[in-house]
Amino acid sequence: DSGVTQTPKHLITATGQRVTLRCSPRSGDLSVYWYQQSLDQGLQFLIQYYNGEERAKGNILERFSAQQFPDLHSELNLSSLELGDSALYFCASSVGEGRWIQETQYFGPGTRLLVL
Amino acid sequence: GQQVMQIPQYQHVQEGEDFTTYCNSSTTLSNIQWYKQRPGGHPVFLIQLVKSGEVKKQKRLTFQFGEAKKNSSLHITATQTTDVGTYFCRTNAGKSTFGDGTTLTVKP
Repeated sequence: DSGVTQTPKHLITATGQRVTLRCSPRSGDLSVYWYQQSLDQGLQFLIQYYNGEERAKGNILERFSAQQFPDLHSELNLSSLELGDSALYFCASSVGEGRWIQETQYFGPGTRLLVL
Repeated sequence: GQQVMQIPQYQHVQEGEDFTTYCNSSTTLSNIQWYKQRPGGHPVFLIQLVKSGEVKKQKRLTFQFGEAKKNSSLHITATQTTDVGTYFCRTNAGKSTFGDGTTLTVKP
C-alpha cells in the first residue's frame, strides 16, 4: 500500500460526458502528478501540482483540467469524453516540488476509465 | 524536449535466464529512476541513480548509470516468475518523463 488513494476504481461512461477522478496523496506529500496509461502503453505525464499550484504540464488535452485543493487532494476533470480517452489514470505523489532533482513518486492504484 | 527511449519493448525469457532493459536519453540526465509495474498493478519505485558510472545492486537486480549520464540499464540475473511486469525508467525532474517500458514475461 503506497498511501495514495484514488477513487473511483472503475468508471464507465459515454462519449461526450464529463467525469472527475479524485486522488489523495500520501500524508505529508505536497506534490500530485497525474498520468494516463492506455492499453499496453507507457505512462504519459499529464500535469503536476505542488502545494495547490500548477507546477508542470505535460501532454494534457484542453478538454482535461485538474486542480489541487487546500487539503492537498487533487481532482482530474475529463470532459467531452471520446473513445480514445479510455485508459488507466494514475495519480502519484511526492514530498517536494521535484523541480531540480527527481523525487520518489508513490503511485495510487489508478482509476480505470472506459468510454463507450 | 527531453526524449528517452527504452529498449526492448518486450522480452520473453525462460525462468533462470538473464534479462536486461536499457534506457537511452538524447540529453545528459541529472539522475534516473527505475520503477516496476506488475500486471494489473501500479508503478513502484525501485531505485535512483545520480552519479556518473554508478552501479547499484538489489539482490538479483543490477542498475547502472552510464559514464556520460545519457543511458542506464537494469539487469536481472536468473529471472524468476516474480520478476514479471513492466520496467520503466523515469527522467527529467522538470516534466516527469517515463520511458515506454520493457515488459518482461517469464516462462516457468
